[in-house]
Amino acid sequence: GQQVMQIPQYQHVQEGEDFTTYCNSSTTLSNIQWYKQRPGGHPVFLIQLVKSGEVKKQKRLTFQFGEAKKNSSLHITATQTTDVGTYFCAASNTDKLIFGTGTRLQVFP
Amino acid sequence: KAGVTQTPRYLIKTRGQQVTLSCSPISGHRSVSWYQQTPGQGLQFLFEYFSETQRNKGNFPGRFSGRQFSNSRSEMNVSTLELGDSALYLCASSYTSGRNEQFFGPGTRLTVL
Repeated sequence: GQQVMQIPQYQHVQEGEDFTTYCNSSTTLSNIQWYKQRPGGHPVFLIQLVKSGEVKKQKRLTFQFGEAKKNSSLHITATQTTDVGTYFCAASNTDKLIFGTGTRLQVFP
Repeated sequence: KAGVTQTPRYLIKTRGQQVTLSCSPISGHRSVSWYQQTPGQGLQFLFEYFSETQRNKGNFPGRFSGRQFSNSRSEMNVSTLELGDSALYLCASSYTSGRNEQFFGPGTRLTVL
């Protein structure tokens, strides 16, 4: 079945450093969504990308969808302690969302 | 609008028992999806219900079942509990489809002893 891999699994950064997580699918995707889950919380929707090569920004967060619609990335500029959590991509292909394995981000002040 | 609510929030059961979890979606949302979250396996899709019908199902054994009522509220049931069923069970609602933006509830933390 369809698999969605995310790398890295964990990332520890110093506050102010940048952070990037990558999401890769074995198949072409209809769209891709990104979610953030704070420690002890539940996933919260961040954004959806639909078009090939699409780039969207939310303040310090930049989301990209690959040209072949098989990969995506989330980049955070100048991380803050409030960015701590696990970031999941979720791939939509046919009839359901397949969540990636997640990247846990720890930010040290 | 009130968010997605799940009850109970915490549950402790023993092996062999069964459990029923409840989810109330956001008002107006007709799609309800259930996910199992464990440290080792991440977020695994269980099933999606829409208008009282199961629309999609993940790769879980038949011990996992669900249903949806006419008011879109949903329940999931796990029979003959196993230790490996210990997890956070998340319910998510969406207006039309399990492929669209999902609004997650706080989850039910199930511990099987």
